[in-house]
Amino acid sequence: GQQVMQIPQYQHVQEGEDFTTYCNSSTTLSNIQWYKQRPGGHPVFLIQLVKSGEVKKQKRLTFQFGEAKKNSSLHITATQTTDVGTYFCAGPGSGGSNYKLTFGKGTLLTVNP
Amino acid sequence: DTGVSQDPRHKITKRGQNVTFRCDPISEHNRLYWYRQTLGQGPEFLTYFQNEAQLEKSRLLSDRFSAERPKGSFSTLEIQRTEQGDSAMYLCASSSTGTPPNYGYTFGSGTRLTVV
Repeated sequence: GQQVMQIPQYQHVQEGEDFTTYCNSSTTLSNIQWYKQRPGGHPVFLIQLVKSGEVKKQKRLTFQFGEAKKNSSLHITATQTTDVGTYFCAGPGSGGSNYKLTFGKGTLLTVNP
Repeated sequence: DTGVSQDPRHKITKRGQNVTFRCDPISEHNRLYWYRQTLGQGPEFLTYFQNEAQLEKSRLLSDRFSAERPKGSFSTLEIQRTEQGDSAMYLCASSSTGTPPNYGYTFGSGTRLTVV
């Protein structure tokens, strides 16, 4: 079945440093989504990317979708303590449905103030 | 509408007992999903509904698990004869079909199940 891999598994940074997490799929994706889960919380939808090579920004967050639509990245500029949490990428599962998602294991970001 | 609601928030049960969880999705959303999450892992797909129809069920799900969504509104997830390996956070999510398509999920706060 489809696999979604994320690296790194953990990342610890000093406040103000940049952070990047990478997502790779074993299959071509029709879209990719990113979610953030705060400690003790539930996943919260951040963004979806649909087009090959698409780049979207949300304040200090930059999301990219690869040209082959098999990989994606999330980059945070000048991290803040409010960025702490686990970042998941997710893509549609095999079988044609765009709505059922397969999640990666996530990247846990911790920020030292 | 205040989002996706799940009840209860926490459930402790003895091994072998049956448990049932409820999920109330966002009212405009016609798709409803159940996921399970354990510590350090991403959410794992269990099943999903479009309106009242259960469209897919994970092959990882044993026959002890059953889900319903009568009338296409709220949903229930029942686990029979619970085992310690069932201990996890059970997440419900909903999404809509619209134009342009937005595939993003809105998750509830989850039900944390502990089987002792």
